[in-house]
Amino acid sequence: QTVVTQETSLTVSPGGTVTLTCASTTGAVTSGNFPNWFQQRPGQAPRTLIYRTNNKHSWTPARFSGSLLGGKATLTLSGVQPEDEADYYCLLNFQNNWFFGGGTKLTVL
Amino acid sequence: QVQLVQSGAEVQKPGASVKVSCKAYGYTFSSYGVTWVRQAPGKGLEWMAWVNAHDGNTFYAQNFQDRVTVTTDPSTNTAYLEMRSLRSDDTAMYYCVRDYDYICGSWGQGTLVTVSS
Repeated sequence: QTVVTQETSLTVSPGGTVTLTCASTTGAVTSGNFPNWFQQRPGQAPRTLIYRTNNKHSWTPARFSGSLLGGKATLTLSGVQPEDEADYYCLLNFQNNWFFGGGTKLTVL
Repeated sequence: QVQLVQSGAEVQKPGASVKVSCKAYGYTFSSYGVTWVRQAPGKGLEWMAWVNAHDGNTFYAQNFQDRVTVTTDPSTNTAYLEMRSLRSDDTAMYYCVRDYDYICGSWGQGTLVTVSS
């Protein structure tokens, strides 16, 4: 069974930069896993931030970016705002089956 | 604009079935797929299934392929998730997501399904 792993929690200062990672137990994450990233604020439905590794939706703030680095998918927040405090999830595709990571709780402090 | 509106909260007894709907607005329904995701209280997201709104083709997560059926009705721009033989650990928020070509887009507001005797 494929397992997708993320940091459990991270803390960042307002205005700072933080990188969240998304790894797979089956090996390196590639563009062929079509990484998607989601933000979920408390009490809200998730929203999609990044699709296909590094593409943004029209509603995605410019400070969010996605990439691949060191065999992992990454989500970088530059110039973090207080409203970025949330849970972040990645989603990877493996031959038409999708697996979520366990999520990263990002604290802005 | 694109909007997915889900049906209201459900309370079901163990062993019963539930059918959740997801009505799409603001785009050509049959040009996209719909993914279903659930989230148990205080837990992470879990991918359940995907349905192609054009031809009805489906994929299911291994954990759900025996108890879940996903369908669409293009005449009403609505997708459905049916789950059978409900257990207490199926208590969760269920979400639909517009999906095309490995691109996740807009999410529904969620439907809370509570399984309790």
